[in-house]
Amino acid sequence: EAQVTQNPRYLITVTGKKLTVTCSQNMNHEYMSWYRQDPGLGLRQIYYSMNVEVTDKGDVPEGYKVSRKEKRNFPLILESPSPNQTSLYFCASMGGTATHSGNTIYFGEGSWLTVV
Amino acid sequence: GDSVTQMEGPVTLSEEAFLTINCTYTATGYPSLFWYVQYPGEGLQLLLKATKADDKGSNKGFEATYRKETTSFHLEKGSVQVSDSAVYFCALRVSYNFNKFYFGSGTKLNVKP
Repeated sequence: EAQVTQNPRYLITVTGKKLTVTCSQNMNHEYMSWYRQDPGLGLRQIYYSMNVEVTDKGDVPEGYKVSRKEKRNFPLILESPSPNQTSLYFCASMGGTATHSGNTIYFGEGSWLTVV
Repeated sequence: GDSVTQMEGPVTLSEEAFLTINCTYTATGYPSLFWYVQYPGEGLQLLLKATKADDKGSNKGFEATYRKETTSFHLEKGSVQVSDSAVYFCALRVSYNFNKFYFGSGTKLNVKP
């Protein structure tokens, strides 16, 4: 089954304690991305990656890092989490030729992160 | 800049009622338009899409027509069911920046039996 898998799904952590949210896709997609979802703001892109070793900032990259060492994995790293990073996070991937306008993205089930 | 505006919710309807969720967009390039649905506790799933003007996307009884003249992509369904209760997101991609999807803020739909 084609899917995007994120872990953990739920996490409560304390300010300043480094954490990593993993993301893996089994569709051999080149493009992957991270979003955060906040009430009234919809989804905002944090980082994206067009291919292995190629990453770029989205709209809200501050306080986050990513890496893309393998095609299937795209972890999101919070080096020093703060309460304003409490949010619902989604990993996504997109297949086919990135320039094809009709290509859509596939989302993971989301990771609820609370920073206290 | 590029953006999507959709009607605020929540929208509460009785079963079998007609649904419209408005979505308008601003695009500096040539847009493709999407509707995504998020059921409780799940990620977003593609509901339908349209990639050129006057195209109609449809799926599961939902429809939306890409109207270039009004820059709109309103979602409609003739008869909603309780199982349609979810959050609906309108989204945009533009031709010069395929890396990016612009999402609306989401509209929560509650359907009562």
